Amino acid sequence: DADVTQTPRNRITKTGKRIMLECSQTKGHDRMYWYRQDPGLGLRLIYYSFDVKDINKGEISDGYSVSRQAQAKFSLSLESAIPNQTALYFCATSDTATTRANEQFFGPGTRLTVL
Amino acid sequence: GNSVTQMEGPVTLSEEAFLTINCTYTATGYPSLFWYVQYPGEGLQLLLKATKADDKGSNKGFEATYRKETTSFHLEKGSVQVSDSAVYFCALVSGGSNYKLTFGKGTLLTVNP
Repeated sequence: DADVTQTPRNRITKTGKRIMLECSQTKGHDRMYWYRQDPGLGLRLIYYSFDVKDINKGEISDGYSVSRQAQAKFSLSLESAIPNQTALYFCATSDTATTRANEQFFGPGTRLTVL
Repeated sequence: GNSVTQMEGPVTLSEEAFLTINCTYTATGYPSLFWYVQYPGEGLQLLLKATKADDKGSNKGFEATYRKETTSFHLEKGSVQVSDSAVYFCALVSGGSNYKLTFGKGTLLTVNP
């Protein structure tokens, strides 16, 4: 069973629609992250959460919002999707309670297309 | 701020060839350095890491040495296989408690039989 799961895996939507991407983890990690991947640009951090009550903007948070519903769940929302938000989105987790606190574990990704 | 620069791809090699993917970084303090690999259709997996100068990370035949004097962390493998075809990302985490990863842009490796 996957430790970090993302739903949906693929989504096609239209400009102006509201979209939610969900991430769940069974690793018991406290920190969760959302990244987007664009060809030739690597991964860029959208939002990150250190615990349920601590949410922080990353380098490209405009147009996105997040919700940490529980330690295991971290959702990313696009309130009004636009075509340049077409990308591959990854959720990741890390655990500050271990000596491997600086390692992040990634989900399989959600491919989002905004028409 | 922190940044990672890695060689642009794509890189195409024949099976059993020697691989080098260059990575240099800019960071404050003493960062930890990573190589992640992304196989087709999958998420990123940690390939190897090094947490201090002169450390060598290794896994699956891949190696990288943390060179503080040249701010580099080049990935090497002596004999690549078709199954190594993937995108490779160099990344760093700077000191402190935030643990935010900074990634390079990725290098696509294709290994032909």
